[in-house]
Amino acid sequence: AQSVTQPDIHITVSEGASLELRCNYSYGATPYLFWYVQSPGQGLQLLLKYFSGDTLVQGIKGFEAEFKRSQSSFNLRKPSVHWSDAAEYFCAVGASGGYQKVTFGTGTKLQVIP
Amino acid sequence: GAVVSQHPSWVICKSGTSVKIECRSLDFQATTMFWYRQFPKQSLMLMATSNEGSKATYEQGVEKDKFLINHASLTLSTLTVTSAHPEDSSFYICRIRDGRIMNTEAFFGQGTRLTVV
Repeated sequence: AQSVTQPDIHITVSEGASLELRCNYSYGATPYLFWYVQSPGQGLQLLLKYFSGDTLVQGIKGFEAEFKRSQSSFNLRKPSVHWSDAAEYFCAVGASGGYQKVTFGTGTKLQVIP
Repeated sequence: GAVVSQHPSWVICKSGTSVKIECRSLDFQATTMFWYRQFPKQSLMLMATSNEGSKATYEQGVEKDKFLINHASLTLSTLTVTSAHPEDSSFYICRIRDGRIMNTEAFFGQGTRLTVV
């Protein structure tokens, strides 16, 4: 069965600083990997996804993530954080079929300070 | 614009009553719908998967008689929490996709905050 670990429950960064959110997955085959963002009381918005090909994927809002098979990781990065990035971020892994059944990590809450 | 409409966004109900949550696809045919619940400070837990015209498949530990799912059309799925109790208070989110096309994106609804008092 697939699983996802997000080691950091809560991260605080200063506005303008760089950001990296960690994600480790467990899956027997080539995974389908996602990052979602959730603002308070809202649904989830897809930031980016990895299905195959280039291991560095670009997403919306200036985010990117790198798939590292050797480390079973799919960390999310942003060079310069904006106050509006404060939200909860979820990493997810899917089985074959991409958007079918996906398993979500426990989330990382990002706080941005001025 | 939004492709999924979930209503209501929040609801408060008395213990023992039933609550219906609707999830509508606005722009495409939602052949597959997923229902999740999210407890405070926790991740999303898949409750059930439904395909249009078929009975929903429930995850282990989810009571199908308590959480009734109806996916009678390609644009609408409903989740009914029957005889709700305070422990059912949670954030419920639908996720929909057109399963006939490979690797099409699935979209989330805005979520419904259910509080049972």
